[in-house]
Amino acid sequence: EAGVTQFPSHSVIEKGQTVTLRCDPISGHDNLYWYRRVMGKEIKFLLHFVKESKQDESGMPNNRFLAERTGGTYSTLKVQPAELEDSGVYFCASSQVYGSPLHFGNGTRLTVT
Amino acid sequence: GENVEQHPSTLSVQEGDSAVIKCTYSDSASNYFPWYKQELGKRPQLIIDIRSNVGEKKDQRIAVTLNKTAKHFSLHITETQPEDSAVYFCAASPLNSGNTPLVFGKGTRLSVIA
Repeated sequence: EAGVTQFPSHSVIEKGQTVTLRCDPISGHDNLYWYRRVMGKEIKFLLHFVKESKQDESGMPNNRFLAERTGGTYSTLKVQPAELEDSGVYFCASSQVYGSPLHFGNGTRLTVT
Repeated sequence: GENVEQHPSTLSVQEGDSAVIKCTYSDSASNYFPWYKQELGKRPQLIIDIRSNVGEKKDQRIAVTLNKTAKHFSLHITETQPEDSAVYFCAASPLNSGNTPLVFGKGTRLSVIA
């Protein structure tokens, strides 16, 4: 089966610009998660979708971050406007049912200059 | 909420030696503890997990132990090989307390020196 795919793999943008990250979960996985890792720190939870619904968005840093999962398939995470502290690796993960192992994507390395 | 502490942040061992990574958690409701391995430039991958109804689980050279009373769990890698070099993350979650997501530690960079 195809794994979780993320696009782009790298993105370098200037402060104030907008970036949209995309995640395609494993087909049939209702649960989709976004995580972020800032260099040297933990993989930090951002939000969790169950199908198209936001189950938990308690980890979203602020209202510059907007996640969507239209139709319950792929998801996008938009950062607008980007700030320097948004730099990091953004991981998407999916699982078939809650409690089953998470399958991660390769991540998108975002650099805001 | 849950807080996971992981130690050490870096670990170097000689090939063939054992490596131990330790994690503590704060939420006594947590009952699922996976370990992920992330090789350079690759995605984190689940290598082993343990649930609170067992104290130890082993898979070839990898083992995980759990002490629920002390709220800590450890990853043990025996007979380390260069390909074990990676960043390892522990995580914790209360599976039966709603859809609470995994909380990760900060990671341990393991280097196995040939």
